Amino acid sequence: DIQMTQSPPSLSASLGDKVTITCQASQNINKYIAWYQQKPGKAPRQLIRYTSTLVSGTPSRFSGSGSGRDYSFSISNVESEDIASYYCLQYDNLPYTFGAGTKLELK
Amino acid sequence: EVKLVESGGGLVQPGRSLKLSCAASGFSFNDYWMGWVRQAPGKGLEWIGEINQDSSTINYTPSLKDKFTISRDNAQNTLYLQMSKLGSEDTAIYYCAREDYGGLAYWGQGTLVTVSS
Repeated sequence: DIQMTQSPPSLSASLGDKVTITCQASQNINKYIAWYQQKPGKAPRQLIRYTSTLVSGTPSRFSGSGSGRDYSFSISNVESEDIASYYCLQYDNLPYTFGAGTKLELK
Repeated sequence: EVKLVESGGGLVQPGRSLKLSCAASGFSFNDYWMGWVRQAPGKGLEWIGEINQDSSTINYTPSLKDKFTISRDNAQNTLYLQMSKLGSEDTAIYYCAREDYGGLAYWGQGTLVTVSS
């Protein structure tokens, strides 16, 4: 199985900050990574697919990049509605695997 | 509008079985791979498995392959997850999801399964 090492586990930010989350795969995943936002009591919502493609409805302050084993997800100008947990998912190889998640909190 | 609604969760005793359903609407169900994901209380997401459009290919995460079975009924636009030999470690919210080229694109609201005596 491909292991997805996501960091940091938690993040504290002020409104307007830029934050970055990283996921490192245990092998090349050929850019097949998606990013999800999950708010308490809600289902995950896909924000980005194939490393950097924003899903319809995703605000432009969200972005993704990377290649090979190393990928990142950023939020520029953090807003209060962005307070949530974020997960990466590799879908290059079976079984699909998620990162452990990053909890974004307000400072 | 894509809509996925899970049902069938609840309290079940250890060792028993349970079958979850996911009713799909708002899209052509038989055109898509579908999958299941679970999330234990306060924990992260775990991919369970997926099924292709005509049920000819079903993939599972290895650790769950012997106790979970995914199936679908395209005539009823419904996805299923049959779970057997349930233990406390299976207590979780179970989500169904529609797969697109970009992974798990649309998710249901989830159904809670609690395994306890």
